Amino acid sequence: AQKVTQAQTEISVVEKEDVTLDCVYETRDTTYYLFWYKQPPSGELVFLIRRNSFDEQNEISGRYSWNFQKSTSSFNFTITASQVVDSAVYFCALRKMNTGFQKLVFGTGTRLLVSP
Amino acid sequence: GAGVSQSPSNKVTEKGKDVELRCDPISGHTALYWYRQSLGQGLEFLIYFQGNSAPDKSGLPSDRFSAERTGGSVSTLTIQRTQQEDSAVYLCASSSEAGRTQYFGPGTRLTVL
Repeated sequence: AQKVTQAQTEISVVEKEDVTLDCVYETRDTTYYLFWYKQPPSGELVFLIRRNSFDEQNEISGRYSWNFQKSTSSFNFTITASQVVDSAVYFCALRKMNTGFQKLVFGTGTRLLVSP
Repeated sequence: GAGVSQSPSNKVTEKGKDVELRCDPISGHTALYWYRQSLGQGLEFLIYFQGNSAPDKSGLPSDRFSAERTGGSVSTLTIQRTQQEDSAVYLCASSSEAGRTQYFGPGTRLTVL
């Protein structure tokens, strides 16, 4: 069975602070994908990143960075110098890497509130 | 279109009525998915369509839920005899093909009174 745990229900920070959103996953599959999605107040899930299980190289995109550690089954997401526009619910998700359809398994989400 | 679109954005209905929710995927995307987001259950997969293949209905919670996809494009999710526990945001996603990254629409917020 697959499971994604986002233990932080809500995080509040002040603008310009760095913040890390935790994601821990469980899977018996040897190959899989990990995702982060952002859900702003408008409700639409916005795709942020996809990582392959065989590529543990960390990734940085502007103020966003992701730390994938297979040894601890974690895929954490850090926002540097947070901004008010970063306020949203962030979801971590997992999917098998098999060909064809495999459903996304989501965590329960972390609500990030960035105040000015 | 530029992204996945869904209609209506909000729907309020009375218990026992039927509702239809519409999803228009990204042009050219062959795979389409429905998810439900509710307070108690988080994000749950409902159903998946790929081209002309039979849909994967493994996530549908009851036989009151059904979906169809006409012409390989627009999809309609139908909930019959709605119950209060059906209140949720229903999200549609599409991908260029099965196994590719899914892109989501803004969702339909359904409230059953």
